[in-house]
Amino acid sequence: LAKTTQPISMDSYEGQEVNITCSHNNIATNDYITWYQQFPSQGPRFIIQGYKTKVTNEVASLFIPADRKSSTLSLPRVSLSDTAVYYCLVAGPNYGQNFVFGPGTRLSVLP
Amino acid sequence: DADVTQTPRNRITKTGKRIMLECSQTKGHDRMYWYRQDPGLGLRLIYYSFDVKDINKGEISDGYSVSRQAQAKFSLSLESAIPNQTALYFCATSDPGDGATNEKLFFGSGTQLSVL
Repeated sequence: LAKTTQPISMDSYEGQEVNITCSHNNIATNDYITWYQQFPSQGPRFIIQGYKTKVTNEVASLFIPADRKSSTLSLPRVSLSDTAVYYCLVAGPNYGQNFVFGPGTRLSVLP
Repeated sequence: DADVTQTPRNRITKTGKRIMLECSQTKGHDRMYWYRQDPGLGLRLIYYSFDVKDINKGEISDGYSVSRQAQAKFSLSLESAIPNQTALYFCATSDPGDGATNEKLFFGSGTQLSVL
């Protein structure tokens, strides 16, 4: 299983772009990178998933360098409602049971 | 209506009591999971099921059991609850992906269980 490392916490201000980096040095060839967001007392919610290069959706962008040993979740112009815990997960196809939710990154957006 | 529904939302029970947490889903997914979350920590996998006849232990299955009554229903039981099982419990289903994408998890709103 690919072990991931991400910052425990980050602070930002409203309107800023936030980048959260996840390290996964032993990522396997068929592993995907998936990010989830969790608000207090709610279940995690899927944000974005990628395999290589850049993926963008209506919520975020995911940047993955060529060596795939890290990835960066980018949240454009955050608001107070983006305050949450963000989890980076790495696993191969059909290996949902191997998703490891570590402590994640606690993002606090300040006014 | 929520795609993954957990009942009850909150439960307080006493040590030694048997308790069941229920999960139902309308997403039509075969795969279902039970996780536990303790304050300030990530989620830990208790049990998972890839179809009605398939049940597998996760990282922390001791003290828990599950039942997959149908594709849409997956229940978690604590046979004899103890205080260190006080936690937030989440049920999830997953879409395995289509080859171009990987598995994605869909979570319920959770059950806060307190064992006194």
